Amino acid sequence: TQLLEQSPQFLSIQEGENLTVYCNSSSVFSSLQWYRQEPGEGPVLLVTVVTGGEVKKLKRLTFQFGDARKDSSLHITAAQPGDTGLYLCADGGNTPLVFGKGTRLSVIA
Amino acid sequence: DTGVSQDPRHKITKRGQNVTFRCDPISEHNRLYWYRQTLGQGPEFLTYFQNEAQLEKSRLLSDRFSAERPKGSFSTLEIQRTEQGDSAMYLCAILRRGEETQYFGPGTRLLVL
Repeated sequence: TQLLEQSPQFLSIQEGENLTVYCNSSSVFSSLQWYRQEPGEGPVLLVTVVTGGEVKKLKRLTFQFGDARKDSSLHITAAQPGDTGLYLCADGGNTPLVFGKGTRLSVIA
Repeated sequence: DTGVSQDPRHKITKRGQNVTFRCDPISEHNRLYWYRQTLGQGPEFLTYFQNEAQLEKSRLLSDRFSAERPKGSFSTLEIQRTEQGDSAMYLCAILRRGEETQYFGPGTRLLVL
């Protein structure tokens, strides 16, 4: 059974700071997704990465996929209060997704 | 807009009662998934449909749970004889045609007293 570990579990930072969260898998990802979830809502897709070594940028968010396709990081530059939420990584794509427990980020103004 | 609506958004029930949730996909899709998310955890897979056919169930889906998708469009998830451990967010997701990414609805939050 695949296990996804995310770290840190909690992160509280001041507005304007940079941060990185991590996702590590016990086995090779087939397709890696990052989602953000706000309280009381469903997860919202941020990005899908498939190719080892791939880097994708989405405004202030930078996603890196490890060469061996077993790890990923999400870097946020100049965090804003609107970035607050639960960041989840998941594997699966068109198969049932396997999720990590998430990193709960709080950005304080 | 993810193209998925869920109803109700919140449900409070007493232990032993039956509850039913509904998922209505708006966007074109071919697969529909149900997940459960408890506090402090990521979503966990329950079951999924391709059109009307229920293709896979996880071990989390006990015999008190039943999911249907009668006409290949909306889906329902029923929990019979609810237990306090059933308290969770129940999420529906779709796989849009031509894509390999799942899009989630807003969820139904269940509290069993």
